[in-house]
Amino acid sequence: DVKVTQSSRYLVKRTGEKVFLECVQDMDHENMFWYRQDPGLGLRLIYFSYDVKMKEKGDIPEGYSVSREKKERFSLILESASTNQTSMYLCASRATSGSSHEQYFGPGTRLTVT
Amino acid sequence: GNSVTQMEGPVTLSEEAFLTINCTYTATGYPSLFWYVQYPGEGLQLLLKATKADDKGSNKGFEATYRKETTSFHLEKGSVQVSDSAVYFCATGFQKLVFGTGTRLLVSP
Repeated sequence: DVKVTQSSRYLVKRTGEKVFLECVQDMDHENMFWYRQDPGLGLRLIYFSYDVKMKEKGDIPEGYSVSREKKERFSLILESASTNQTSMYLCASRATSGSSHEQYFGPGTRLTVT
Repeated sequence: GNSVTQMEGPVTLSEEAFLTINCTYTATGYPSLFWYVQYPGEGLQLLLKATKADDKGSNKGFEATYRKETTSFHLEKGSVQVSDSAVYFCATGFQKLVFGTGTRLLVSP
């Protein structure tokens, strides 16, 4: 089974802090994704990585950056956390072979910025 | 770009009732269609999928058929259980997926 893990389930940070959210997948998937989930808005794509060192902005990249130095790890960085970044953050990965395009998700990190 | 519209919740049912959650999509080409489920405190899990028109995805008693003519992918289950209480997301796309806003299902005994 594909396993996607996220470094923390719950995180509380102060406004202005630099925050790192880590995601690791164990299935050698090329593609990895970061989403945030907010009530009434569903999932919104923050950043997407095609492969190691390759990234593309999603729908809401402002205030975020990412790093993909190794294939299995995709990090989301909040350079200076703000209260409007309080949310559930979900990481996902996907293989590029095959035809179904399904994504596999981690358990999520609920981030609170105070 | 692609988009997904799904019915707002919550959907409240009694155990053993029939479930339908509507999902319609707009897309360029013929993308794959998915239903994901999120149980409380967890990430999303793939429930079922369909990759081309008229395909039926099924899993755990849930079914959905890829209807190109109506651009729909409605989720159905003949007899829901309390354990089916969760949030259900419809999604479509190729490399990147677009998700609906989610429908919360509450099943009471």
